[in-house]
Amino acid sequence: QQPVQSPQAVILREGEDAVINCSSSKALYSVHWYRQKHGEAPVFLMILLKGGEQKGHEKISASFNEKKQQSSLYLTASQLSYSGTYFCGTADNTDKLIFGTGTRLQVFP
Amino acid sequence: GAGVSQSPSNKVTEKGKDVELRCDPISGHTALYWYRQRLGQGLEFLIYFQGNSAPDKSGLPSDRFSAERTGESVSTLTIQRTQQEDSAVYLCASTQGAPRTQYFGPGTRLLVL
Repeated sequence: QQPVQSPQAVILREGEDAVINCSSSKALYSVHWYRQKHGEAPVFLMILLKGGEQKGHEKISASFNEKKQQSSLYLTASQLSYSGTYFCGTADNTDKLIFGTGTRLQVFP
Repeated sequence: GAGVSQSPSNKVTEKGKDVELRCDPISGHTALYWYRQRLGQGLEFLIYFQGNSAPDKSGLPSDRFSAERTGESVSTLTIQRTQQEDSAVYLCASTQGAPRTQYFGPGTRLLVL
C-alpha cells in the first residue's frame, strides 16, 4: 500500500538534474511532494491532482500519470539547498495520505 | 495564527511508562494526522482525524497506542507501557481537508530507555 520511490538515494553536483519517481499499486486521486531536511519537519513542495497535470516551482517540477499510478519529481540545475529527503504522499478517494519510502538527495559543490 | 505546535519537543522515558504527546493544529484546520518516523526511516501513518467523523486508526501499531481529538482542536497521542521500539520522532500535521497541503509540526522526539 505504501508508494515506492526510486531511486533510494541520489548524489549530485551543483547544477546537475535529477528525477525522483513515485509508484503506487492503488488508484490515486492526488500526489503530494515534500522535502525534509535533517532534523526538521517535512515541508510541502506541491500537490498534483488526477488529470495528468504538471506543476512547477522554480526549478522543481512534477508530473502525475494517473493511469500508470505514477508521479515524477524533476529537479533541474540543482542547488545546495535542494539536499534533503524527498517524500511523495499519495491519496486515493479518501482523505488519508500515505507517504512513500523516501529518496535521499545530496548536492555537493 | 502560528503553525502546528507539538509538545514536548523531547521526551525521555523509561520502558513501561506511559507518555502523552500533544498537538495543536492550525486554527480552522479540520483534519489532523499523526505519523511516526524512526531514525533514518520514512513517515509511518498512525491515525487520522477529519472533523466529527470517526478517526481512521488503521495505522496504530498496537493497542498500546491511542489518540484523541477534541472537536477541531488539540489532539493527544498516548502510548501506554512504552517499549524501546517506540523510540522515534512523532509528527503531527494538519490540513483544511484533502487534497490540501499538510502542515507539519516540529515533532516530539521520544526516547525510551
